[in-house]
Amino acid sequence: DQQVKQNSPSLSVQEGRISILNCDYTNSMFDYFLWYKKYPAEGPTFLISISSIKDKNEDGRFTVFLNKSAKHLSLHIVPSQPGDSAVYFCAASETGNTPLVFGKGTRLSVIA
Amino acid sequence: DAGVIQSPRHEVTEMGQEVTLRCKPISGHNSLFWYRQTMMRGLELLIYFNNNVPIDDSGMPEDRFSAKMPNASFSTLKIQPSEPRDSAVYFCASSPDRGWYGYTFGSGTRLTVV
Repeated sequence: DQQVKQNSPSLSVQEGRISILNCDYTNSMFDYFLWYKKYPAEGPTFLISISSIKDKNEDGRFTVFLNKSAKHLSLHIVPSQPGDSAVYFCAASETGNTPLVFGKGTRLSVIA
Repeated sequence: DAGVIQSPRHEVTEMGQEVTLRCKPISGHNSLFWYRQTMMRGLELLIYFNNNVPIDDSGMPEDRFSAKMPNASFSTLKIQPSEPRDSAVYFCASSPDRGWYGYTFGSGTRLTVV
C-alpha cells in the first residue's frame, strides 16, 4: 500500500504561471517531507524539504506547504519556466532516521 | 567528488540470465540504498545498508534478488534468474547517515529483460 501518494501523473502549465504539485500521505509518523526533481536519464535530485514543525518553506521560486491535519503537502513553483519540466517526486521519512518513502511522481510540462 | 556511480547505464538481457548491477557510493557516506523505479509503483526501496550491513531488505521482491556490500565503496544488486517483469530503472543512493539528509542518487541502470 502506498504511504505517499501523488495522484496526478502529469501536469501541464504555461510558462510564467504557477505550478502546483500535490502529495498525500497516510503514515502519521512521517515528520520530514521532501521534493525531488528528476530529468530523463538522470537520478532524482533534492529540491526542497519541510519539517513537520513548519507549515511552509520557501526557496526562491519554490515553496512547499504542509497541512498535517489533512496529511497533505504541495509544491508551488512561481513563475514556472520551461527548465522546470521534469518528474517531481514527493518523499517522506519518519524521525529523519529512516529511508525515504517516495510517491509515484508527477510529470510537469511547462509550455513556452 | 564524482557522486554516486552506477554501472552499467543500460543492460539488456534475456530472460533467465543473471544480471549484476553495481554501485559506488560517495566517499564517507555510511548508508546505501537501492531503489527501483517503475510506472506502476514509482520509486520503491528494495534494500538499504548502514556501515556495510544490510538493515532492511523487506522491499526485495523475491529470492531471485540479492544485494551485497563487501566494503564501504562498493555494492551490487543481483537478479538470478531475471524475468521480463524485472525490467525497470534501478537507482542507488547514498547518504551520510541513515536518514534523509544528504541523500544523493546515481544516474540509474535501465534494465530490460526480453
